[in-house]
Amino acid sequence: DVKVTQSSRYLVKRTGEKVFLECVQDMDHENMFWYRQDPGLGLRLIYFSYDVKMKEKGDIPEGYSVSREKKERFSLILESASTNQTSMYLCASTSGGRPASYNEQFFGPGTRLTVL
Amino acid sequence: AQSVSQHNHHVILSEAASLELGCNYSYGGTVNLFWYVQYPGQHLQLLLKYFSGDPLVKGIKGFEAEFIKSKFSFNLRKPSVQWSDTAEYFCAALRNYQLIWGAGTKLIIKP
Repeated sequence: DVKVTQSSRYLVKRTGEKVFLECVQDMDHENMFWYRQDPGLGLRLIYFSYDVKMKEKGDIPEGYSVSREKKERFSLILESASTNQTSMYLCASTSGGRPASYNEQFFGPGTRLTVL
Repeated sequence: AQSVSQHNHHVILSEAASLELGCNYSYGGTVNLFWYVQYPGQHLQLLLKYFSGDPLVKGIKGFEAEFIKSKFSFNLRKPSVQWSDTAEYFCAALRNYQLIWGAGTKLIIKP
């Protein structure tokens, strides 16, 4: 079974703090994704990566950055957290190389981030 | 803008009722469509997908979806729901190798 794990299930941070969310997958997938999930808005893509050190902006990259130094790990960074970044953050991975394939995306359990 | 619409945000049904959740996408051309489900406290997981061929697609747990190109729709159906189908359901479409997601439909099944 593919396993995608995220470093925290719940996180509370203060405005202005730097926040790191980490995601690890164990199936040697090329593609990894960061989404945020908000009620009534579905999932919105923040960034994705199709290879080590490669990244591309999704629909809402402002206020976020990412890092992919190793194939299995994809980190989301909030340089200076703000209250409007309070959300559920989901990591996903899929096989297939670039372009991102038609294969199923496998999701982690999510990190619920609250910024006070 | 290209989008995916799920018109029902909340649906409440009794056990054994039939289910149909609507999904419409806004663009033409080749479409690849998905339904994902998120059970309470669990990861999002794939229910079914359509790429080509038979427009009636069968997925896990007795779900099916029908792709109707003329209506730009990909509705999810199940003939008889169970309490364990309580979950949030998301429709998604592949655009430029990224998924565009609908807002989700929360389904509650009353025992």
